[in-house]
Amino acid sequence: LAKTTQPISMDSYEGQEVNITCSHNNIATNDYITWYQQFPSQGPRFIIQGYKTKVTNEVASLFIPADRKSSTLSLPRVSLSDTAVYYCLVGDGVSGGYNKLIFGAGTRLAVHP
Amino acid sequence: GAVVSQHPSRVICKSGTSVKIECRSLDFQATTMFWYRQFPKKSLMLMATSNEGSKATYEQGVEKDKFLINHASLTLSTLTVTSAHPEDSSFYICSASYPGGPGELFFGEGSRLTVL
Repeated sequence: LAKTTQPISMDSYEGQEVNITCSHNNIATNDYITWYQQFPSQGPRFIIQGYKTKVTNEVASLFIPADRKSSTLSLPRVSLSDTAVYYCLVGDGVSGGYNKLIFGAGTRLAVHP
Repeated sequence: GAVVSQHPSRVICKSGTSVKIECRSLDFQATTMFWYRQFPKKSLMLMATSNEGSKATYEQGVEKDKFLINHASLTLSTLTVTSAHPEDSSFYICSASYPGGPGELFFGEGSRLTVL
């Protein structure tokens, strides 16, 4: 299972764009990259998932370079409610219908007024 | 999106008693569910993989007899903390993979166990 490395913490201000980069040098061919958000005392919530290039949904964008050894989660115009821990995970694709994911330390994002 | 529900969300028990936590996939069938535990300000630690109709696969260092996992149906997995002790106090979270997707996991709300 590919190991991921993220910054331990980041600070930002309301209205700014936040980019969190994750390194996954040992990513395998079948691995997808998934980002989760977790608030205190809650289970993680899916944000976005991608395999290569760029993926965008209503809450975030995910940029993946051609070598796939890193990825960047981009949160546009953050608000105070985006203060949370963000986890980057890599895991293989559909295999018997499940995907065993190992969580790294995550990035603790603090958004200030 | 798919919904995974845990119950109870909070439980307090006396040392030596057993506690059961349920994890249900509400709108899809999950042949595999995962159980994690999380200590304050720490990341999630995978405890075991729960497979419907077969024995769970435990991660290294996780006591099988302490944390009993049963996955009796395609929508329900249970974690029983047996003979609980204060050091078992933690936040337990389950997750299930939506079939057919490239590995997207849906997580329950978590269950906070406090052992007195």
